Amino acid sequence: GAVVSQHPSWVICKSGTSVKIECRSLDFQATTMFWYRQFPKQSLMLMATSNEGSKATYEQGVEKDKFLINHASLTLSTLTVTSAHPEDSSFYICSARPREGGRNEQFFGPGTRLTVL
Amino acid sequence: AQSVTQPDIHITVSEGASLELRCNYSYGATPYLFWYVQSPGQGLQLLLKYFSGDTLVQGIKGFEAEFKRSQSSFNLRKPSVHWSDAAEYFCAVAIPSGTASKLTFGTGTRLQVTL
Repeated sequence: GAVVSQHPSWVICKSGTSVKIECRSLDFQATTMFWYRQFPKQSLMLMATSNEGSKATYEQGVEKDKFLINHASLTLSTLTVTSAHPEDSSFYICSARPREGGRNEQFFGPGTRLTVL
Repeated sequence: AQSVTQPDIHITVSEGASLELRCNYSYGATPYLFWYVQSPGQGLQLLLKYFSGDTLVQGIKGFEAEFKRSQSSFNLRKPSVHWSDAAEYFCAVAIPSGTASKLTFGTGTRLQVTL
């Protein structure tokens, strides 16, 4: 149980285009989903917290107009990188907190590697 | 704000040897504490967690961790390392809250296992 998927797992795009990454909780409902960014050989940095049906809360320094987050249902959150540039290349990981169950437990997706040419 | 320190960036151990990965946190009270493992190009897998109670926590894959309040530490241990344990290990903390609290991660420790 508590499986989180991400799609795509790997994407390459041209500079200036937009890329959408999906995060799905497959066997549970998630009231809250988190989006992280990880640079090579570095730790995870929280980008934003999204709650179903409401606007995402972005961490300081994260451009909300560049990283659009939509949490339209209890099982799906999307991250859209708009007008991507090479410096946006990174490993993006989502996590989901079940509506029911353990305190402060998050289940992580396998990540999406974005390469912007 | 809470913070997490993992002093060891890279550790190499021989297969079969014991392992201890260090984690120290900074917070005014006792946070929720986690250890995650990440294989190359993969997401994170939870090894174990501490919320309260017994300070020695057992996790998956033979790992355990001990919470020491006096030292603000939550070190991860394994008595005998297997080659498949080679990965990146992250310690994380969250502030106890009724709502979903944010995780703060340490910088990670890369474990290399020699045969």
